[in-house]
Formats: sequence, structure tokens, C-alpha cells
Amino acid sequence: NAGVTQTPKFQVLKTGQSMTLQCAQDMNHEYMSWYRQDPGMGLRLIHYSVGAGITDQGEVPNGYNVSRSTTEDFPLRLLSAAPSQTSVYFCASSYYGRRNTEAFFGQGTRLTVV
Amino acid sequence: TQLLEQSPQFLSIQEGENLTVYCNSSSVFSSLQWYRQEPGEGPVLLVTVVTGGEVKKLKRLTFQFGDARKDSSLHITAAQPGDTGLYLCAGLNFGNEKLTFGTGTRLTIIP
Repeated sequence: NAGVTQTPKFQVLKTGQSMTLQCAQDMNHEYMSWYRQDPGMGLRLIHYSVGAGITDQGEVPNGYNVSRSTTEDFPLRLLSAAPSQTSVYFCASSYYGRRNTEAFFGQGTRLTVV
Repeated sequence: TQLLEQSPQFLSIQEGENLTVYCNSSSVFSSLQWYRQEPGEGPVLLVTVVTGGEVKKLKRLTFQFGDARKDSSLHITAAQPGDTGLYLCAGLNFGNEKLTFGTGTRLTIIP
């Protein structure tokens, strides 16, 4: 029962570096999304996808890119890391088109940008 | 941006007491979910309420969806230390089905 797998679990970047956070799910979910979690702000949506080849922006997309070439994978790319991107990042997946759908989350990636 | 405000932000009570957490918005949602998050883990779904006015019970937890589908509450009876955690409400938007999360309530139950 893998569910949603995120890698890495921890990462330290220098300002200006780029990196990709990986997310994979094995539940054949159409809907995948990336959130960031900062103290006192709950989870904020960065990007989401309703299926392979389809992505859209969430609340806080600036500085991040995504692609969805397969149903299983939804990587998040940081183009040029900034200290403001220090956060905990969560990937989630769920079925699409159901009001009682459940979002399954990965364990998170704790990113520090110095 | 649709906002979901949760109150209180922090709550620390003695074991055995009752408590209520509120989740309020000016937007109407298709459904409302409650998640619980432990340190170092992702949120885990507790319940989904779909119909305005709906009440769902999960052992000592009672969830209610407002009649106008804009707000929700979580009531815990006889709180136990195992209830400690971060509680997040989340509204499912009509159409694009984005899940908007609340600001969170960090609950601590003191033995």
C-alpha cells in the first residue's frame, strides 16, 4: 500500500538553485495537487492537475512549475529557489468529480532555502 | 481567493472536557471535509459532509455542515490525549474541484 510517495523528505537549497520535488501515486487518481504549509496559514494550493497533460495554477503558483505526463507522477519544480519558498510541501491525490472524494497526502518535503 | 477561517487557532484543554472548533467562510462549497494532521505527517481525512445541515458522528467527534454550506463545526466530547493534533477544515469548490484549506486549529489535550 504505497499510496502517495514524496521524495525527498528533507532538502536544503541555496538561493538561486533549482530542484524538483517528486510525487507519485499508485491509486489511479485523476486529480493531483501540490500544497505548501506555513505556520498559521493552513495549506495553500500551488498547482493542480485533473489528468495527464492538464495542469492549472492554484493560489500561490509563482516560482513553481509542474507537468503531468502520466497519471501516476506529478513533479514540482522550483526554478530559482528563494528564502520565501522555505516551507513544508505536500503532494495529494484524489478521484475527480466526486463530492465525497478523499484527498490522500504524502508525508511531505521540508525545504529550507538559505 | 476563497478563505476558510478556523477558530480558535490554538486550544489547550484538560482531558475529559468538551470543545468546539469552527470553520467559517463567505463562500459556498460543494462539500466540506475535516482532516487531522500529526507532526511530520500529511493530513488524514476524518469526515466529509455534503448536504447543508448535515450532522455526522465519529465516536466522540460530531461534525456539522451549515445550512448555507458556508461553515462547519467540529465538536469533541470528553477529549482524550489521543485527540491532540492539527485539525484542518477544507472546502471543495464547485466546478474546478479545488480543495481550499482552513487556517487550522492546533489542539492539545492535557492528561
